[in-house]
Amino acid sequence: DQQVKQNSPSLSVQEGRISILNCDYTNSMFDYFLWYKKYPAEGPTFLISISSIKDKNEDGRFTVFLNKSAKHLSLHIVPSQPGDSAVYFCAAKEGGSEKLVFGKGTKLTVNP
Amino acid sequence: DAGVIQSPRHEVTEMGQEVTLRCKPISGHDYLFWYRQTMMRGLELLIYFNNNVPIDDSGMPEDRFSAKMPNASFSTLKIQPSEPRDSAVYFCASSLSFRNRNTIYFGEGSWLTVV
Repeated sequence: DQQVKQNSPSLSVQEGRISILNCDYTNSMFDYFLWYKKYPAEGPTFLISISSIKDKNEDGRFTVFLNKSAKHLSLHIVPSQPGDSAVYFCAAKEGGSEKLVFGKGTKLTVNP
Repeated sequence: DAGVIQSPRHEVTEMGQEVTLRCKPISGHDYLFWYRQTMMRGLELLIYFNNNVPIDDSGMPEDRFSAKMPNASFSTLKIQPSEPRDSAVYFCASSLSFRNRNTIYFGEGSWLTVV
């Protein structure tokens, strides 16, 4: 039973446009959410995070939005660059736990 | 700082053989995690340790899988006997619980193929 769902296995966008990656969760005890980026043959690397007390966190071209009532979060990349092409994983954790639960990932392709 | 170091990077083995994957976490980190990535299930947590003690092994698929952490700088994940369905990428990760709010750092993974 997937507690963190990324329903789009892939996404393709043009360079310079916005990329929006979506993630839904079912566990209302999750209080911290993260996005990881993974290039082929490498381990996932941390990208950006958000606490459940916020609804937005921004870091350069990357912004994460959290809608707690809908149990939904999204990652916006503006403007998208070819180097952003990777698999993006959404992850979540419950308060008091160190355990991160990951979605299955969305493969982003940014076309020049 | 050296990152999380895993070995071997690639392993091809025959069904029934024992497989041992190794991990050296980032120095000073007190949590260590073993994840497995497959197309079907994505990234799933197998087991994690805190200060070398196993905390949650509910993700370990079955008795053929075992993990140990004899000291703060070394952990192993063992599969005995291995089966073709164990073919996956196995990631080790570590974190320091009181810094950066639980960001965990992954190794480059061990690619396992069981034929």
